[in-house]
Amino acid sequence: LAKTTQPISMDSYEGQEVNITCSHNNIATNDYITWYQQFPSQGPRFIIQGYKTKVTNEVASLFIPADRKSSTLSLPRVSLSDTAVYYCLVGTGGFKTIFGAGTRLFVKA
Amino acid sequence: GAGVSQSPSNKVTEKGKDVELRCDPISGHTALYWYRQSLGQGLEFLIYFQGNSAPDKSGLPSDRFSAERTGGSVSTLTIQRTQQEDSAVYLCASSRYRGDTYEQYFGPGTRLTVT
Repeated sequence: LAKTTQPISMDSYEGQEVNITCSHNNIATNDYITWYQQFPSQGPRFIIQGYKTKVTNEVASLFIPADRKSSTLSLPRVSLSDTAVYYCLVGTGGFKTIFGAGTRLFVKA
Repeated sequence: GAGVSQSPSNKVTEKGKDVELRCDPISGHTALYWYRQSLGQGLEFLIYFQGNSAPDKSGLPSDRFSAERTGGSVSTLTIQRTQQEDSAVYLCASSRYRGDTYEQYFGPGTRLTVT
């Protein structure tokens, strides 16, 4: 399983764009990149998944360079309610998944 | 539709007692996962079930931990002779492979406190 590295914490202000980068140097050819969000006292929630280039949905964008050794989760115009822990995962479906420590995002007013 | 449910939501037990935690996955989801999360920490993988295949038990921390999944649906995680270090939130997730996506849906968790 490919190991991921992401910042432990980040601070931002309401209305700003937040970019969280995840490194996964040992990503395998078949691996997808998936991001989850976790609020206190809740289970994680799927945000976005991609394989290469750029993926966008109503919540976030995911940028993946050609070498796929890293990825960046972009949250546009964050609000206080985006304060959460964000996890980057690398792997394929149908196997165990490894969540790292995640990135704690604090959004300030 | 109904999401993943877990019971009980909270469990307080004395050291040395056995506990059973239950997970009801989303109907039709073939994969089921158990994780453990200690306060302020990330998720620790425990066990994974996929259809009728043998489960991946590589994350179980000791032989006091076991899990089963009956009829490809409901799962029970059993912890025998509980220890204080077993105190954590136990999360269950289920997923269904849909082409190139395999989003995991998590339950609310069971908070276990061993006194």
